[in-house]
Amino acid sequence: GNSVTQMEGPVTLSEEAFLTINCTYTATGYPSLFWYVQYPGEGLQLLLKATKADDKGSNKGFEATYRKETTSFHLEKGSVQVSDSAVYFCALSDGGGSQGNLIFGKGTKLSVKP
Amino acid sequence: EAGVAQSPRYKIIEKRQSVAFWCNPISGHATLYWYQQILGQGPKLLIQFQNNGVVDDSQLPKDRFSAERLKGVDSTLKIQPAKLEDSAVYLCASSLPGAETQYFGPGTRLLVL
Repeated sequence: GNSVTQMEGPVTLSEEAFLTINCTYTATGYPSLFWYVQYPGEGLQLLLKATKADDKGSNKGFEATYRKETTSFHLEKGSVQVSDSAVYFCALSDGGGSQGNLIFGKGTKLSVKP
Repeated sequence: EAGVAQSPRYKIIEKRQSVAFWCNPISGHATLYWYQQILGQGPKLLIQFQNNGVVDDSQLPKDRFSAERLKGVDSTLKIQPAKLEDSAVYLCASSLPGAETQYFGPGTRLLVL
């Protein structure tokens, strides 16, 4: 079945450091890929998405590229801020229409120190 | 635009008791999802509604969990009787019909003692 694997956390970085959170997936067909972020005490928010191979999703300085050849969707940011501290979830959607179920990875907790 | 509303935010019960969670999706969102998020894991889909019909409930433990969306708007998820392993955050999400982007509520954190 479809699945998502994320790098284990927690990840601790200093402010302005470069961030990479690895995500790989297993899926039949061509799923859409997502990164969701969960700030402390809040619900999940969509951070970015990509719907086909070689698409790059970007938002708030974060980027991720849909790599079909390596089945990956790694999240990157060039310079993290303290306010980026949160849990990041990689997810795939196994189809639109009435079957747009999201399958999530386990999440990676990021802590950014000043 | 108001987001997805959920209540209560926190609930503590003893095992074998019953509990119910409520969700009001974003206006106009016909598709509604309930997820279970156990500590340290990603959310797992329990049930998906399209209007007031069930699209997918294959991962819902039907011996103790039930959900309804009678008027195609708000929804209730019930657990009866609760077990210790039901301790988790229960997330509600909604989306426009056919859309892949889901919008999540703040969740209900359940602790079963």
